[in-house]
Amino acid sequence: GAVVSQHPSRVICKSGTSVKIECRSLDFQATTMFWYRQFPKQSLMLMATSNEGSKATYEQGVEKDKFLINHASLTLSTLTVTSAHPEDSSFYICSATPPTDPNTGELFFGEGSRLTVL
Amino acid sequence: DAKTTQPTSMDCAEGRAANLPCNHSTISGNEYVYWYRQIHSQGPQYIIHGLKNNETNEMASLIITEDRKSSTLILPHATLRDTAVYYCIVRAGGQLTFGSGTQLTVLP
Repeated sequence: GAVVSQHPSRVICKSGTSVKIECRSLDFQATTMFWYRQFPKQSLMLMATSNEGSKATYEQGVEKDKFLINHASLTLSTLTVTSAHPEDSSFYICSATPPTDPNTGELFFGEGSRLTVL
Repeated sequence: DAKTTQPTSMDCAEGRAANLPCNHSTISGNEYVYWYRQIHSQGPQYIIHGLKNNETNEMASLIITEDRKSSTLILPHATLRDTAVYYCIVRAGGQLTFGSGTQLTVLP
């Protein structure tokens, strides 16, 4: 089946630095990818919708200048957490769906990236 | 997307069927019912989805009531590896909106 891969799976950084997380669709092209964030013992919260070749759409309350999203190709979206602070420590997960059935097909998720900001 | 309501937690004995209920009383005609599960510190895993008819695959069965206001996910023979948070989601397209889910614990 279709696979979505994230890298890195774990990252630890110092406060004030920027961290980039990659999300790749390995065997299909995805015009749209989604980025979620999950705090401990909570559910997944949608952060933004990443659109290939255009600007991402951010959910209310998510700072677009803080969480930079780039979707430069049909198989790669990146999330950059800029000037990270300890409160940005979280589990970041991306997802994508093959274009054959974008509205009702299976949405595939990456393995997640755990960010720890010291 | 319509809101769903699930029990916070359930236990199930290993080898027995696990029946996870979900209420989605405000579901609209074009919304599908999806089930995903998340094992600790992993990305969500797709289980099954359906619109009106009952569905079955190698992982589970999905029973949707005739009025579509509720559904039940059935794991026919639960194993310890099925311990996870199970999310019931209704979706008409685009992203999935996750609720709180049900923590299923399979007991030896």
